[in-house]
Amino acid sequence: AQTVTQSQPEMSVQEAETVTLSCTYDTSESNYYLFWYKQPPSRQMILVIRQEAYKQQNATENRFSVNFQKAAKSFSLKISDSQLGDTAMYFCAFIVRPGNQFYFGTGTSLTVIP
Amino acid sequence: GAVVSQHPSWVICKSGTSVKIECRSLDFQATTMFWYRQFPKQSLMLMATSNEGSKATYEQGVEKDKFLINHASLTLSTLTVTSAHPEDSSFYICSARSPQGEGNTIYFGEGSWLTVV
Repeated sequence: AQTVTQSQPEMSVQEAETVTLSCTYDTSESNYYLFWYKQPPSRQMILVIRQEAYKQQNATENRFSVNFQKAAKSFSLKISDSQLGDTAMYFCAFIVRPGNQFYFGTGTSLTVIP
Repeated sequence: GAVVSQHPSWVICKSGTSVKIECRSLDFQATTMFWYRQFPKQSLMLMATSNEGSKATYEQGVEKDKFLINHASLTLSTLTVTSAHPEDSSFYICSARSPQGEGNTIYFGEGSWLTVV
């Protein structure tokens, strides 16, 4: 079975500070893709960052970076220089093969405090 | 970039009636689309996988006769909630995989709020 666990239902961070969101997953597959999606109050799902499991180098996207630990099946998201617009629900997800459905975590609600 | 559009964004319907939600891939062909349902403060729950030209694959516990999915073309999938009841009120989101870019890029629609009164 494929599962994704986000153990932090809610988090807060001061503006301009750094915050890390945790995610662990479970799969017996060796080839998969990992994602972090942001869902603001508008409910639009916005891709934050993605990581291919076969790549050892951690993905980065501007202020967003991941710490991918394949052996530990961990995929945390670090947000640097937090901005008010980062306030949203964040979902960790993965796909076993291209075209298959997402397996989503339960989400972490992040609030950036001015 | 690739865009997936849903329509309508908001819909209110009377109990017992049917309502259709459209999901379109605007600048790419999507052989597979996915329909999710999201309850307040919860994660996305996959309802079904919509395959162009064939029957949809429903997740366990999803009533296929109630949630009709049609994927008649490579750019359009529709979800019809039949004989809607208040408990069907929810946020529905579709997604589609784009063949563009680095392989496995998934785009989500803006979502559709359904309220059954």
